Amino acid sequence: NAGVTQTPKFQVLKTGQSMTLQCAQDMNHEYMSWYRQDPGMGLRLIHYSVGAGITDQGEVPNGYNVSRSTTEDFPLRLLSAAPSQTSVYFCASTQGWAGGTDTQYFGPGTRLTVL
Amino acid sequence: AQKVTQAQTEISVVEKEDVTLDCVYETRDTTYYLFWYKQPPSGELVFLIRRNSFDEQNEISGRYSWNFQKSTSSFNFTITASQVVDSAVYFCALRIDQTGANNLFFGTGTRLTVIP
Repeated sequence: NAGVTQTPKFQVLKTGQSMTLQCAQDMNHEYMSWYRQDPGMGLRLIHYSVGAGITDQGEVPNGYNVSRSTTEDFPLRLLSAAPSQTSVYFCASTQGWAGGTDTQYFGPGTRLTVL
Repeated sequence: AQKVTQAQTEISVVEKEDVTLDCVYETRDTTYYLFWYKQPPSGELVFLIRRNSFDEQNEISGRYSWNFQKSTSSFNFTITASQVVDSAVYFCALRIDQTGANNLFFGTGTRLTVIP
């Protein structure tokens, strides 16, 4: 199993550009999430999905879109990049929410810089 | 509202010393789950432990141990005989038991530096 994979690892954008951060998992997990990590602020939830076709907003959703057409993939789209979106982005997946199945496994992260 | 506080921003210890990382959480839910993750300099997030609110037993795993106390809303993490490889940022996180949601509230992290 590759676990959770993210591409690209690094990206530099200019203000106003759009792009998609890719996330895939091969563990057949239903739940997937996107977090951003900023210095001194820990990780904050952007969007999440509880299954294919179902997405919802997290704590900081503005400026981002998501979709979940398959169980495996959960891309994050930046519609019009802004310098405030400079951050490290982590994708995570988990099997479920009941019992001991809720441990989240994180991808390696994407470091995004918006100039 | 949920909140996780890691008051120690940075800690430095000399190798072989013991160190405790503090985590205090806030939630009104009676069912919740606490986690610790390690983020080494390479940047990935490594799961360390999960604990539910009904299980207050302390846990030991090698040099790592965790002390969960509901009375003080704390879930502290102790590394015994620290090693240079323990140098990392450590995050405490909280999940509340909401149906259909499976998301973590993170603390701001504690950066541990172990000096050889």
